[in-house]
Amino acid sequence: NAGVTQTPKFQVLKTGQSMTLQCAQDMNHNSMYWYRQDPGMGLRLIYYSASEGTTDKGEVPNGYNVSRLNKREFSLRLESAAPSQTSVYFCASHRSLEAFFGQGTRLTVV
Amino acid sequence: GDSVTQMEGPVTLSEEAFLTINCTYTATGYPSLFWYVQYPGEGLQLLLKATKADDKGSNKGFEATYRKETTSFHLEKGSVQVSDSAVYFCALSDGSGAGSYQLTFGKGTKLSVIP
Repeated sequence: NAGVTQTPKFQVLKTGQSMTLQCAQDMNHNSMYWYRQDPGMGLRLIYYSASEGTTDKGEVPNGYNVSRLNKREFSLRLESAAPSQTSVYFCASHRSLEAFFGQGTRLTVV
Repeated sequence: GDSVTQMEGPVTLSEEAFLTINCTYTATGYPSLFWYVQYPGEGLQLLLKATKADDKGSNKGFEATYRKETTSFHLEKGSVQVSDSAVYFCALSDGSGAGSYQLTFGKGTKLSVIP
């Protein structure tokens, strides 16, 4: 019962570095999402993919890119990390109305 | 746009106390409403949901009723336990977009239950 798996769990980057956050789900869900969680802000949608081969911007897409590699995998890329991107990142997939979340990636940009 | 407002925490209760966490929403149409729970160090888990007016969602002793007239979805539990300590998020989905179930979240309410 892996569900939604995110890697890495923790990461420290220097300003300007790039990295890719990986997400994979084994539930055969069509739609996948990336959120960021900041203190006092709840979760905000960065990008989503309603189905394999499609991606769309969410509320806070600036500074990020995504790739829906196949039905299982949806990656989030930071091309040039900034301190404002310090956050906890969650990937989720949906079975109809119910969202299933990964355990999160805690990213610190110094 | 859609928005969710929930009571700010943190909330600290003694074991067996009654819990209410208020949640109100703004949305076009008829959204589905959710409560998610996040235990320390973990991702969010669906606690309960309601998809139409007057529906009551319930799970693990928690309940919430979809009130369209007051645009509210308050979370209640009659007797909290230490194990209920977590952050609780109210959320909605208006189902917009083909195949999309985007969630709009409230800011979260941290609950601490002391023995």
